[in-house]
Amino acid sequence: GGIITQTPKFLIGQEGQKLTLKCQQNFNHDTMYWYRQDSGKGLRLIYYSITENDLQKGDLSEGYDASREKKSSFSLTVTSAQKNEMAVFLCASSIGGRQNTLYFGAGTRLSVL
Amino acid sequence: QQNVQQSPESLIVPEGARTSLNCTFSDSASQYFWWYRQHSGKAPKALMSIFSNGEKEEGRFTIHLNKASLHFSLHIRDSQPSDSALYLCAVTPYGGSGNKLIFGTGTLLSVKP
Repeated sequence: GGIITQTPKFLIGQEGQKLTLKCQQNFNHDTMYWYRQDSGKGLRLIYYSITENDLQKGDLSEGYDASREKKSSFSLTVTSAQKNEMAVFLCASSIGGRQNTLYFGAGTRLSVL
Repeated sequence: QQNVQQSPESLIVPEGARTSLNCTFSDSASQYFWWYRQHSGKAPKALMSIFSNGEKEEGRFTIHLNKASLHFSLHIRDSQPSDSALYLCAVTPYGGSGNKLIFGTGTLLSVKP
C-alpha cells in the first residue's frame, strides 16, 4: 500500500497572498491531480500531470500554477488568494490511463481572511 | 466540455432501505464511469466502476450504465448508517491521454438508524 501526504493540513492566508500547497505520494504512480472541493460539494479539476515536468490544465486552472519537478511530488500555488475564500484542495495519484483508480490525500483546508 | 450532474443533492433514508443515486453526463463517447465515496472529513475513495452498458453488482452495491441515455446510477441494498457519506460520480472523457477524470456535483446520503 501507499500513502498521499498533503501539507499543510490547514492554511490561513491574507487576500492577495501567494500560497503554496504540497503533495507527496509513495505509490510510484505516474499521474497526479489537484482538485478543489467547495462546501462538501463535488470536485473540480485544477491541474493534472501524467509524468514528471508535465502539466495539463483542468477546468479550474485560472488563478493557479502547478509544478511537478519529481515523480513523487506535485505542488499547487494559489497565485492571489481571494478574500473570504474557503475550500478544500485534494491531491490524488493514479497509475494512469483510462481505467485508473485515483487515490486521494486527506486535503488542505484553505481559509482566506 | 464534459458536464456531470448528480441527483438528488441530498437524501435521507431509513436503515434497511434501498437507495438510488443518479448521475448524468453530456458526452455519449465517454469511456469509463466511477462512483467514489467520501465520509465526513475523510479522503474520497473509489467504490465501483463500470466500462460498458449494463449492470455490475458488488455486495450490496449495484451500478447501472446506459450510455445512450447519458445516465448511470448507484443502488445500495439494505442501506446502513455506515453508508452515510458524500457520493461522487466521475466520468473519463473520450480522447486525450485518458488520465482526466471529471467528477459530479455530489449526493449527500444520510442513513438513519
